[in-house]
Amino acid sequence: IVLTQSPGTLALSPGERATLSCRTSQSDNSNYFAWYQQKPGQAPRLLIFGASSRATGIPDRFSGSGSGTDFTLTIDRLEPEDFAVYYCQQYGRSAITFGQGTRLEI
Amino acid sequence: QVQLVESGGGVVQPEKSLRLSCAASGFTFSTFAMHWVRQAPGKGLEWVAVISFDGNEEYYGDSVKGRFTISRDNSKNKLYLQMKSLRAEDTAVYFCARDGRWSADYWGQGTLVTVSS
Repeated sequence: IVLTQSPGTLALSPGERATLSCRTSQSDNSNYFAWYQQKPGQAPRLLIFGASSRATGIPDRFSGSGSGTDFTLTIDRLEPEDFAVYYCQQYGRSAITFGQGTRLEI
Repeated sequence: QVQLVESGGGVVQPEKSLRLSCAASGFTFSTFAMHWVRQAPGKGLEWVAVISFDGNEEYYGDSVKGRFTISRDNSKNKLYLQMKSLRAEDTAVYFCARDGRWSADYWGQGTLVTVSS
């Protein structure tokens, strides 16, 4: 499975909406799809699992959608702390695959 | 609270071996599958391996298959990654992560492995 994220870099301002995309090479159950946020020098943090469910403690300005091969992470009303790298993930039968990441910058 | 603490990283010569450890606390370790994920400097995330909650099943990424072995000791709440025949391209921060609902829901802070002569 190959996951392709777009765009590679997204430049926005605080208060704007960010829309990040991820396309998978194989259609699968959307339950197996997740999004992560990673800030410099930190471990990744789970944001969204099951394509659209927010992980514990994740603000409701983060939302996930999609099915089949096309998935989207939307961040409403960007806060300064949201500028980071975002990865999508597909959980296969015996492996996890990550996208190459989208850098969200100010 | 869930805590995962990796250790064992360092500088190692090519073709040598190294064992990483991950100490888990704050949850019932023996009921969760566990992953290793790595990140080369300035690069993205690469999944390395997963082990079932009871240690009976293991799966590996293609780049490490046959060289790395994941294991666990549920009596000690510890996860391990034995790495052999290390290559320069294995240089990365190695994270251990708990298996959530078809995702990795908690991550350690990582341990850096540098393969260099």
